[in-house]
Amino acid sequence: DIQMTQSPASLSASVGETVTITCGASENIYGALNWYQRKQGKSPQLLIYGATNLADGMSSRFSGSGSGRQYSLKISSLHPDDVATYYCQNVLTTSLTFGAGTKLELK
Amino acid sequence: QVQLQQPGAELVKPGASVKLSCKASGYTFTNYWIHWVKQRPGQGLEWIGEINPGNGRSNYNEKFKTKATLTVDKSSTTAYMQLSSLTSEDSAVYYCARRVSYGNRFDYWGQGTTLTVSS
Repeated sequence: DIQMTQSPASLSASVGETVTITCGASENIYGALNWYQRKQGKSPQLLIYGATNLADGMSSRFSGSGSGRQYSLKISSLHPDDVATYYCQNVLTTSLTFGAGTKLELK
Repeated sequence: QVQLQQPGAELVKPGASVKLSCKASGYTFTNYWIHWVKQRPGQGLEWIGEINPGNGRSNYNEKFKTKATLTVDKSSTTAYMQLSSLTSEDSAVYYCARRVSYGNRFDYWGQGTTLTVSS
């Protein structure tokens, strides 16, 4: 199986800041990477698909980039509503592995 | 509107089996694969497997091949996941999700069923 490594595991930032979460794959996944946001007590929600495409209804403050084995999620101008855990997911192979998650908190 | 409805909670004894349900509505059930995802308290998301409601074909995470069995009932547009030989390690929230082919993205999720395995 392809292993997904996210960093950092947790992150604390202030309102208005820009933060970046990274996700590394154990092999080239050719941009087949999705990001999900999971708020406390809620189901995960699709955030970015195909590494760079913003899901319907999600804020343009979120953006994805990357290729090959390295990917990142950038959140611009942090809002209190962005407090959540963020997961990357390999969708290249049949076994759709998730990263361990990055917990984002406000300072 | 698209909905995936899951029971809120299940309580079962160790060693038993349980069949979790995921009732789909608001779209053509047989056109989208249904996936199942596990989340233990304080831990990340684990992909369990997927099933094609149109033909019943399924794929599993190797880790769950002897634990989970995925089925569907087209007449009731419901997907099921049976978990066997339950232990405390199976206590978790289990989500079902619909996959869109383009981008392999999970665009709708159920609310999750909290499974508690306890005597």
